[in-house]
Amino acid sequence: EPEVTQTPSHQVTQMGQEVILRCVPISNHLYFYWYRQILGQKVEFLVSFYNNEISEKSEIFDDQFSVERPDGSNFTLKIRSTKLEDSAMYFCASRKDRGTDTQYFGPGTRLTVL
Amino acid sequence: AQRVTQPEKLLSVFKGAPVELKCNYSYSGSPELFWYVQYSRQRLQLLLRHISRESIKGFTADLNKGETSFHLKKPFAQEEDSAMYYCALSGEFNDYKLSFGAGTTVTVRA
Repeated sequence: EPEVTQTPSHQVTQMGQEVILRCVPISNHLYFYWYRQILGQKVEFLVSFYNNEISEKSEIFDDQFSVERPDGSNFTLKIRSTKLEDSAMYFCASRKDRGTDTQYFGPGTRLTVL
Repeated sequence: AQRVTQPEKLLSVFKGAPVELKCNYSYSGSPELFWYVQYSRQRLQLLLRHISRESIKGFTADLNKGETSFHLKKPFAQEEDSAMYYCALSGEFNDYKLSFGAGTTVTVRA
């Protein structure tokens, strides 16, 4: 059964550095999402992406964040200048098409900002 | 605004006992409600959706619009049900972005 994959599984970075988190959604899916979960807190929506553009973003998703689908398979989340409070688990999810509501999640990338 | 509340952070039951995880929501419109489960060291996976009205792994959940609730129930808990359970809500008109509750950690003891 196809799955969403994410790399790396754990990323450690210094404050102020740029990081790129990578996701490979399920191949015939059209809608893509990023969520994050700070340790001990709830999973929070960051951004949704469809047809090569952001369709919705949360207040968390400020100018430090960007998403891209550089080719037909990858979906990336970039944090330009990481802060300590960006430390969290980042989940990618994908959904097939307009008529379906089920999102499939990747295993997550644990980002640690020192 | 859409909001999901799971009042219980931890729930511990004995094997064979009934388990109920509470979920209340607020949403102006017709929401879609889901339960996601995360077993130890595994990804979030969909357990069930209110729209399909099905039972998965013995779990059921009924959407009660009057009480704005979507409680998850299982009559006889098994040890393999130990996991983190998240109630989530989405709406058709916001690209189905999910709003999650805080989650309930269920421990089923032998």
